[in-house]
Amino acid sequence: DADVTQTPRNRITKTGKRIMLECSQTKGHDRMYWYRQDPGLGLRLIYYSFDVKDINKGEISDGYSVSRQAQAKFSLSLESAIPNQTALYFCATSDGYGDIQYFGAGTRLSVL
Amino acid sequence: TQLLEQSPQFLSIQEGENLTVYCNSSSVFSSLQWYRQEPGEGPVLLVTVVTGGEVKKLKRLTFQFGDARKDSSLHITAAQPGDTGLYLCAGASTGTASKLTFGTGTRLQVTL
Repeated sequence: DADVTQTPRNRITKTGKRIMLECSQTKGHDRMYWYRQDPGLGLRLIYYSFDVKDINKGEISDGYSVSRQAQAKFSLSLESAIPNQTALYFCATSDGYGDIQYFGAGTRLSVL
Repeated sequence: TQLLEQSPQFLSIQEGENLTVYCNSSSVFSSLQWYRQEPGEGPVLLVTVVTGGEVKKLKRLTFQFGDARKDSSLHITAAQPGDTGLYLCAGASTGTASKLTFGTGTRLQVTL
């Protein structure tokens, strides 16, 4: 089983719908991150959390919210999806050692 | 906002050729990482370089960190089809607590 699991792997939704992407990890890491990936732009940080009571905005947090339900679970919500949120979304974890991050396989989201 | 520009953006070569990918910034980083991402998967760490001027080798891959810790390069010798993928550099800055700035990515295709 994967150490960092994202669900769903693919999702198609309509403009205005609320969407939740989920991430769970078995690595025991405190730090978790949500990124979006767009062609030619690399990975951009949406939100990050260093423990259950710590939530921080990244560089592109507008239109997104997160919830850290437990050390192992970090979910990303799009309250009212819009087409320019169509992207590949990645969850990552870190134990803070050497700044290394471990990624899930991604969720491909299409907003029509 | 720190930016990491990678060049080239796309590279298509034949098996056996050599190539170099560049990662440049105007900012100083405490360390720099290189990840490789294959279709349908998340990025996976290849190497971390920490010291200015540092060179690390991973089989046919050679990574270098610039003396001023603002840039890095990845050189692949005798490329193979298995090297195909998206290569991402990512910089960590002192005081930003495990937050990485990712480069724009270089998509490499190696054909027979």
